[in-house]
Amino acid sequence: EVQLLESGGGLVQPGGSLRLSCAASGFTFSNYAMTWVRQPPGKGLEWVSVISGDGASTFYADSVRGRFSISRDNSKNTVYLQINSLRAEDTAVYYCAKGSTYRWDDPSRNCDMEVCGQGTKVTVSS
Amino acid sequence: DIVMTQSPDSLAVSLGERATFDCKSSQSVLYSANNKNYLAWYQQRPGQPPKLLIYWASARESGVPDRFSGSGSGTDFTLTITSLQAEDVAVYYCQQYYSTPFTFGQGTKLEIK
Repeated sequence: EVQLLESGGGLVQPGGSLRLSCAASGFTFSNYAMTWVRQPPGKGLEWVSVISGDGASTFYADSVRGRFSISRDNSKNTVYLQINSLRAEDTAVYYCAKGSTYRWDDPSRNCDMEVCGQGTKVTVSS
Repeated sequence: DIVMTQSPDSLAVSLGERATFDCKSSQSVLYSANNKNYLAWYQQRPGQPPKLLIYWASARESGVPDRFSGSGSGTDFTLTITSLQAEDVAVYYCQQYYSTPFTFGQGTKLEIK
């Protein structure tokens, strides 16, 4: 069974930083792209970033490019999201998700988020 | 970026009746090389993460009840729930995964009438 467990969220002041982690199990982690999406309180889903199976390729939403950094450690079956220069509008539940292929642009992909974790909450406030 | 627009924003349907959700993309998500639409539907129950229901616009994910079905092509898509059950109360999102960023619609909230 695929399992994804996010951690690292919390209360942080504006301008601060956090590193979110997502520990994966139940599948061959290095074979799949991984995605982060977020959901502000009471609002819809926002796609944030994706990383390829080997970690060599990444893509970011414009709203986070330059402040967020996605990475992965395939020896630890973990994907990370480093979030810097935090703003109030970054307050959200952050979900990691398993992709369906090694790269997100593989034509055989059947989705972006095959399975999601339970999420970790980030609150940016002074 | 591809803009996804869902309608309606909310929907109230009686148990056992049909629920229909629409999703439009600002440009086609049909990949001509394989004739597949890169469009997925997700269900998010209260307090839960999103769950994949439909991919390639009309393929049902394993374990999803057959009362859920997807249709459409190009820029116009529909999710249909036949014979609504109480556990179907949720927000439903469409997402295009044709080109990054993989954008979502704003969601349609389904309630029981």
